[in-house]
Amino acid sequence: QKEVEQNSGPLSVPEGAIASLNCTYSDRGSQSFFWYRQYSGKSPELIMSIYSNGDKEDGRFTAQLNKASQYVSLLIRDSQPSDSATYLCAAVPLVFSGGYNKLIFGAGTRLAVHP
Amino acid sequence: NAGVMQNPRHLVRRRGQEARLRCSPMKGHSHVYWYRQLPEEGLKFMVYLQKENIIDESGMPKERFSAEFPKEGPSILRIQQVVRGDSAAYFCASSPPELGQIAGNTIYFGEGSWLTVV
Repeated sequence: QKEVEQNSGPLSVPEGAIASLNCTYSDRGSQSFFWYRQYSGKSPELIMSIYSNGDKEDGRFTAQLNKASQYVSLLIRDSQPSDSATYLCAAVPLVFSGGYNKLIFGAGTRLAVHP
Repeated sequence: NAGVMQNPRHLVRRRGQEARLRCSPMKGHSHVYWYRQLPEEGLKFMVYLQKENIIDESGMPKERFSAEFPKEGPSILRIQQVVRGDSAAYFCASSPPELGQIAGNTIYFGEGSWLTVV
């Protein structure tokens, strides 16, 4: 079982719609979760971090965490063509939470926002 | 992430040659991570270093790969006798020395080094 799993997509949504990206993780003790956006040929760019159950909003982005279900999601409201990219979910397993940021990444979900 | 400097950005090597990738962390950061991203895959952790120390190299292939972070100068990821399967993007990231907190501690990625083995 992969430690962090994402649907590879592509997820195609029309401009202006809500894009919903999902991620599950296997280490129940994981405490820190991150969403990165990566354009083709570029480095990952941090969008959101979330550490507590519930929702965290930042502009058009909302991260949701449900530790009981071991589930993290990212919602993008009012999707724009410029949001088209690969979105990487990452978790820091419990054993590293008190030490250093060994990020375990999912394979990423490709999002395509069409006009 | 502009503060983490990697070079070269693109590197082409023939099979059997050596590749050296360099990473200068953000100012004030003393922790460096190397990740590898194969085509169409996510990033895979390779190694975590502090100045002059390798802390976790659990993601490094057992042979041909080595990493260092000397007291002075950049961190170096060295790949000896490269093979086509080494073709990938190699990302360096750095974090500040204040570790151990769940909240607020994130790492910053460089722009990556793309290695092509022909």
